[in-house]
Amino acid sequence: RKEVEQDPGPFNVPEGATVAFNCTYSNSASQSFFWYRQDCRKEPKLLMSVYSSGNEDGRFTAQLNRASQYISLLIRDSKLSDSATYLCVVSQAGGNTPLVFGKGTRLSVIA
Amino acid sequence: EAGVAQSPRYKIIEKRQSVAFWCNPISGHATLYWYQQILGQGPKLLIQFQNNGVVDDSQLPKDRFSAERLKGVDSTLKIQPAKLEDSAVYLCASSLDVGTQYFGPGTRLLVL
Repeated sequence: RKEVEQDPGPFNVPEGATVAFNCTYSNSASQSFFWYRQDCRKEPKLLMSVYSSGNEDGRFTAQLNRASQYISLLIRDSKLSDSATYLCVVSQAGGNTPLVFGKGTRLSVIA
Repeated sequence: EAGVAQSPRYKIIEKRQSVAFWCNPISGHATLYWYQQILGQGPKLLIQFQNNGVVDDSQLPKDRFSAERLKGVDSTLKIQPAKLEDSAVYLCASSLDVGTQYFGPGTRLLVL
């Protein structure tokens, strides 16, 4: 079983739609959780950290369910500029421990 | 603030040749990472340095890959000899002791 699993997509959605990505992780010792965004032929960039209480940043909402070892990302009112690959990332402890990446979920927002 | 710098940006070599990549982390970042990202996959950690010491190299194929960070700043990653399956993007990232990892633009390697 892979350590971090994501549906690779692609998700093709119209502008303005709401889209949700899910991710599961296998290591129950994981302590830190993130969503990274990666544009085509670019490096990954941190989109948001994921906290147990859930957190929101504008149109983006991330949630964590430790009991089910499940992470989600919700994007509301999708923009063309949201088209990218979204990488689910976990690590065992703080920010200087290695990140374990999922394969990513590709999103295309269509006009 | 300058980001993580990497060079070269692209490299094409033939199998069995050697290649080296260079990374300059963000100033003041003690921790440096090298990741390998194969097409269609997420990045996979190869090696992590804390200053000039290796913290984790468990996934580094040591028969052909080597890395160093002699003065605790710049780092080089070398592959010798290269195989076809080494074709990938090699990403360098850095972080403060506790904090977000920032990635460089990567080096795209194609082994023919």
